[in-house]
Amino acid sequence: AQKITQTQPGMFVQEKEAVTLDCTYDTSDPSYGLFWYKQPSSGEMIFLIYQGSYDQQNATEGRYSLNFQKARKSANLVISASQLGDSAMYFCAMREASTGTASKLTFGTGTRLQVTL
Amino acid sequence: DTGVSQDPRHKITKRGQNVTFRCDPISEHNRLYWYRQTLGQGPEFLTYFQNEAQLEKSRLLSDRFSAERPKGSFSTLEIQRTEQGDSAMYLCASSLILGRAEQYFGPGTRLTVT
Repeated sequence: AQKITQTQPGMFVQEKEAVTLDCTYDTSDPSYGLFWYKQPSSGEMIFLIYQGSYDQQNATEGRYSLNFQKARKSANLVISASQLGDSAMYFCAMREASTGTASKLTFGTGTRLQVTL
Repeated sequence: DTGVSQDPRHKITKRGQNVTFRCDPISEHNRLYWYRQTLGQGPEFLTYFQNEAQLEKSRLLSDRFSAERPKGSFSTLEIQRTEQGDSAMYLCASSLILGRAEQYFGPGTRLTVT
């Protein structure tokens, strides 16, 4: 079974609008972390936001927020006020604590976001 | 503050040749990771180091692959007897051990095996 599922291969959003990128995950580990990364066409993976499984509040980092619904095992990324520079691939990833405090990430297949004028 | 660097950025090689990639992590980061990314997919974990110790290797890492981090600083990933299926982007990342331990990635080395 896929550990991280991103069901939207591609999304379009108009500049200045908000967009939600979906991510569901599968784990039996009670302690885990969820991450979102942005990958522009240049190829470098850029860390955006982190949510710990025990965090009570949804994470926010500037225009990025994470809509964490633990019971549904979803961790959707919300980008507010989209900008042309937000056009990129976006990856959701998970780290399970059973594999160590700081070890491997398991990534989804990504969502390509295109911001239009 | 410099980020993670990788060298070379691109490598074209003929099938059967050996290649070696280098990664220089963020200086204060103890952990260093290697991932492989093929077209249309997310990165897949290959291996990681804590200081100079290699703590985990993926089943993806065949006998032709070897990674080292001899002094706990930079790391090398060598692929022997390259095959066309090895063509991919090889990404290096580093992190602290504690806290969020988010991983910071380098620009990657794109390998093309002809």
